[in-house]
Amino acid sequence: EAGVTQSPTHLIKTRGQQATLRCSPISGHTSVYWYQQALGLGLQFLLWYDEGEERNRGNFPPRFSGRQFPNYSSELNVNALELEDSALYLCASSFRGRFYEQYFGPGTRLTVT
Amino acid sequence: AQKVTQAQTEISVVEKEDVTLDCVYETRDTTYYLFWYKQPPSGELVFLIRRNSFDEQNEISGRYSWNFQKSTSSFNFTITASQVVDSAVYFCALRDMNRDDKIIFGKGTRLHILP
Repeated sequence: EAGVTQSPTHLIKTRGQQATLRCSPISGHTSVYWYQQALGLGLQFLLWYDEGEERNRGNFPPRFSGRQFPNYSSELNVNALELEDSALYLCASSFRGRFYEQYFGPGTRLTVT
Repeated sequence: AQKVTQAQTEISVVEKEDVTLDCVYETRDTTYYLFWYKQPPSGELVFLIRRNSFDEQNEISGRYSWNFQKSTSSFNFTITASQVVDSAVYFCALRDMNRDDKIIFGKGTRLHILP
């Protein structure tokens, strides 16, 4: 069974640009989560989508946004990139329900110069 | 407020030694879930265990064991007879069932198993 996939693997952008990151969940999973893993800060919860709707978001500015498509894949968009947005962005999926464990993808390394 | 503390930033042990990774959590909710994840050098987090707040039974899976104690708000993870392949960053996470429903990860413990 295929795991969570993310694309691209690496992304280099300049300050002020927009970045789009993509995630495909495990088949059968309807929930998708996004996390930011910046150096020294651990994993910070960004967004949670389920059944096409945003269910919750972490303490990030509105320029971090996303969506979930009918096939449960998801996009994370980061507008007006800042240098401190440089991080590993991890996507995870789970079955519907808050008590299920999450399965993570390999991540997208975003570098903002 | 919810919080997960992994006080050990980095641990090094010699192969075959036992090692315990500490996790202390804070939550006001009575219903919550705790998780442990492993992040090897490849970067992809691997799910290890889930435990709900009503189940304080300790769990053993091969060389891994978990000790959940609500009285001390701790969910510690022990690796017995460590191996070099256990080298990774280990994260403890908390998710409660209240309306806020945030998912909180600790900052992780980097474990080095020395041959």
